[in-house]
Amino acid sequence: DSGVTQTPKHLITATGQRVTLRCSPRSGDLSVYWYQQSLDQGLQFLIQYYNGEERAKGNILERFSAQQFPDLHSELNLSSLELGDSALYFCASSPRDSFSEAFFGQGTRLTVV
Amino acid sequence: AQTVTQSQPEMSVQEAETVTLSCTYDTSESDYYLFWYKQPPSRQMILVIRQEAYKQQNATENRFSVNFQKAAKSFSLKISDSQLGDAAMYFCAYRSAMGGGADGLTFGKGTHLIIQP
Repeated sequence: DSGVTQTPKHLITATGQRVTLRCSPRSGDLSVYWYQQSLDQGLQFLIQYYNGEERAKGNILERFSAQQFPDLHSELNLSSLELGDSALYFCASSPRDSFSEAFFGQGTRLTVV
Repeated sequence: AQTVTQSQPEMSVQEAETVTLSCTYDTSESDYYLFWYKQPPSRQMILVIRQEAYKQQNATENRFSVNFQKAAKSFSLKISDSQLGDAAMYFCAYRSAMGGGADGLTFGKGTHLIIQP
């Protein structure tokens, strides 16, 4: 168990809908990262938050957004969903003062039908 | 932009044997981190080993070791005494050490490791 908690584990929704994925980082970790894993694109970095502020952006679509709350949990919002958004979405967290490795949650499997 | 290439989509090894997974990367930076992550069927991403680019000594974690060749931009993973539980997808990943740590991991496409009993 990495200590990173993601909910829900599975999500099935229709095209055009909006969903929210939730992540609780490891205790004490201030950085949260979101990744998307799909068959087409592999594992891609989406966005990073550090202590409530956006820190870095990767290949995140404009239809997607994220935020980190004062209690450090994070949410990834996916809107106007398309079939191609079906993927495994990972959250990861890392320690405050370190460039060390990120610890991954178990992911949310999103299926858009 | 950095890229990570894993040229072996699938590898197979007999239990108790040694296997080496290849990874090359492209970067113009001099300071960075390299990682190997394991993803078993449970889909959990598990860190196997990490290497800081400024360290010449190759990292080792029990049966797992790396061969880091900075000039060649190569970062291979050696698994000794392979066990059935090592069967998984293995991803090589790069992370810049610039920018105050604000950056995500860049992953390769992965190598599917099969362990033959």
